[in-house]
Amino acid sequence: TQLLEQSPQFLSIQEGENLTVYCNSSSVFSSLQWYRQEPGEGPVLLVTVVTGGEVKKLKRLTFQFGDARKDSSLHITAAQPGDTGLYLCAGKVLNFGNEKLTFGTGTRLTIIP
Amino acid sequence: DTGVSQDPRHKITKRGQNVTFRCDPISEHNRLYWYRQTLGQGPEFLTYFQNEAQLEKSRLLSDRFSAERPKGSFSTLEIQRTEQGDSAMYLCASSVVSNYGYTFGSGTRLTVV
Repeated sequence: TQLLEQSPQFLSIQEGENLTVYCNSSSVFSSLQWYRQEPGEGPVLLVTVVTGGEVKKLKRLTFQFGDARKDSSLHITAAQPGDTGLYLCAGKVLNFGNEKLTFGTGTRLTIIP
Repeated sequence: DTGVSQDPRHKITKRGQNVTFRCDPISEHNRLYWYRQTLGQGPEFLTYFQNEAQLEKSRLLSDRFSAERPKGSFSTLEIQRTEQGDSAMYLCASSVVSNYGYTFGSGTRLTVV
């Protein structure tokens, strides 16, 4: 059983459209991060959220952490071809001494020009 | 700061051979992590170090796998008697204790033939 489930697994949309991807779990996380990964490269950190209900914006990207700290969403406004990539959520399960990140299954996003 | 460096970027080896990968983290980061990523999946945790101490190992890390960080700086991951199932991208990341985000290297892609 995957600790972090991401949906959709694949998403292909036209340039200029809006989209939302989701990251869900039954576990509570002390923090949750979103990464973007391009083929042949390592993941690159986009944002970290810590507080339940927290919303962070990074240009056209909006990240939200669920009130119960079990889920998160990433919304992209007016998607551009440069947004294409694998989006990964990753969290640290709330557990004393836990220092490792657990990654989700990923959403592969393709923006069509 | 040149980021996290991994060497080699690509490795093709015959089944049964031993391979060793190297990771040079960001110099002021005292935590170092190894992850493995197979096609279409998110990264899976293998092990992590705080300075030279290996603090946690995943059950994925069979007795054929060993990791070291002898002086708390660079790290090596060795796989003995490689199997075709070991084919994957091996990712290294580093962080500081108080920082929630990981900085990943570009990975080493291993192909066992």
